[in-house]
Formats: sequence, structure tokens, C-alpha cells
Amino acid sequence: GESVGLHLPTLSVQEGDNSIINCAYSNSASDYFIWYKQESGKGPQFIIDIRSNMDKRQGQRVTVLLNKTVKHLSLQIAATQPGDSAVYFCAENIWSTGFQKLVFGTGTRLLVSP
Amino acid sequence: DAGVIQSPRHEVTEMGQEVTLRCKPISGHDYLFWYRQTMMRGLELLIYFNNNVPIDDSGMPEDRFSAKMPNASFSTLKIQPSEPRDSAVYFCASTPGGNYEQYFGPGTRLTVT
Repeated sequence: GESVGLHLPTLSVQEGDNSIINCAYSNSASDYFIWYKQESGKGPQFIIDIRSNMDKRQGQRVTVLLNKTVKHLSLQIAATQPGDSAVYFCAENIWSTGFQKLVFGTGTRLLVSP
Repeated sequence: DAGVIQSPRHEVTEMGQEVTLRCKPISGHDYLFWYRQTMMRGLELLIYFNNNVPIDDSGMPEDRFSAKMPNASFSTLKIQPSEPRDSAVYFCASTPGGNYEQYFGPGTRLTVT
């Protein structure tokens, strides 16, 4: 039978708009979060990170917001460009049996129309 | 800086064959990670090494999968025997100690027929 893959949520925006990509994480003890961008045929690329003792961090055209109360993370991209089209993943750093590792979300596809 | 290097970029093999994927981490990075990415399961951590020693292999699917890191500049992920359900993109990533950000390679797309 036909296999069913992950349904990636898709956000479609016009060039120049601001984009907001959301992520819900699972572990209230996670101490660090990263946003990655993955373009077609490439590996994930670091965008911005935030530690759990912060609620906002800004980079160039990107801002990450962290709401620990509801375990929610968002990535805001200002003045979105066609080159921003990609799949965006959030990742949380968790501790498990004495080891730490990044656990990735399922991703959101961003499509930017010129 | 050449970044993380993976080879081959594409591999097509028949079910039952042995497959070896290779990774060269960024020089000076003492953590190395192997991930698998599929449409069904997303990006999954298989195993990671610190100073060439396997630390957490809880993500390795089964005994058909094995990984080694004989030195600081080289790691392999081996699948023997391969099965069609192993078809995926396999990523290697590295990071320096004390840093959470991981630097990913371009991936190896494996197709098992």
C-alpha cells in the first residue's frame, strides 16, 4: 500500500512579509533550543539559538521567542526573501540517562513567493 | 574550513548488500553525530561519539547498524545487510566540546532496492 509520510506544515508568504514559524517542545527541563534551516538537498544549517534563561534573542532579520510556560518556541523572519524558502526545524537539548542530545521537531516548510 | 565531509553523496544498493557511509568531522570538533532523515520519522539521532568513544547509541535501529570512529578525523556508519526500509538520507554532524550547535554535512542519500 501507499506509505504515509510526515505531513509538513507549510507557511506560504509573499516576499517582504514577516514570517512566524512555531514549534512546541516536549521537555520542560530542556535548557537550550536551536532553529535550523534546511534547503533542498542540503544538511540543516544553524540559524539562531536561545538558552532557557532567556525569552527572546535577536539576530540578523531573525528573532527567536521562548515561552517556557506553554513550552513554545517561535522563529520570526523579517522581510522574508525567496532565499528563505526552506524547511525550518526547532531542536531542544535534552538530558537522558546522563547524556545530552538535540531532539528535532518535524519541521515547517516556508515558501516565499516573489 | 571545508565543513563536515560525507561520502558518498548518493548510494544505490541492492537488498542484502553491505553499505558503508563515511564522515570527516570539522577539525578540532570532538563530538560527532550520525542522524537519519526520512519522510516517515523526520530527523533521528542514531549515535554520537565524544573523543572517538561512542556515548549514546540508543538510536541505532538494530544490530544491522554499526558505527565506528577509529580516529578524530574519520567515522563510518555501516549497514549489513541492508534492507529497503533503510533508504533515507544519513547526516553526520560535529561540534566542539561545550557547544550545543551542531554543524551538519551534506548527507548521503541511500537507496536500497
